Amino acid sequence: GENVEQHPSTLSVQEGDSAVIKCTYSDSASNYFPWYKQELGKGPQLIIDIRSNVGEKKDQRIAVTLNKTAKHFSLHITETQPEDSAVYFCAASRDNYGQNFVFGPGTRLSVLP
Amino acid sequence: SAVISQKPSRDICQRGTSLTIQCQVDSQVTMMFWYRQQPGQSLTLIATANQGSEATYESGFVIDKFPISRPNLTFSTLTVSNMSPEDSSIYLCSVERGNYGYTFGSGTRLTVV
Repeated sequence: GENVEQHPSTLSVQEGDSAVIKCTYSDSASNYFPWYKQELGKGPQLIIDIRSNVGEKKDQRIAVTLNKTAKHFSLHITETQPEDSAVYFCAASRDNYGQNFVFGPGTRLSVLP
Repeated sequence: SAVISQKPSRDICQRGTSLTIQCQVDSQVTMMFWYRQQPGQSLTLIATANQGSEATYESGFVIDKFPISRPNLTFSTLTVSNMSPEDSSIYLCSVERGNYGYTFGSGTRLTVV
């Protein structure tokens, strides 16, 4: 079955700097890769996703890149702000709309003012 | 995206008892999903609930321990039965929203003492 690894487990950056979180997956049939942000006491919130027919997707300060050959994808957050502090989860799925997700273990991002 | 209401938001329960968690969605959805998030951990899918049929459970989860109901297209319940301290987790329901991916509820924080 699918296995998703995520690094780093914790990340601290200064406000205004960039943050990069990387994930690898094992199932070459996976074709949908979302990223979720979970703030303390809340459920995960979808922040961006990418499908296997696209190499990069950007939404304001957030971007995701996908390398299907190497089976890894990354989340990039630019101009970080304190409100970006949260736990971020990547996930992989072999279904077009994300059924049968496998989540990564999470990255705790701290943005220091 | 869909608005999901989960009840209760948190509970402290005695071991050996059962707790039923409710999930209400503001629009009709085909599938509803139940996840468990153990303390400091990632999300693990418990089961998928379709209206009018028995839930489909993932490996390691059984119906006797986690019975699920799905009486209509906007509502589902998950019961955690015969609880032990190891069941202390956050339980989350989620729905598929087509191109919007998955939306999660805010979760039920369960502590078993």
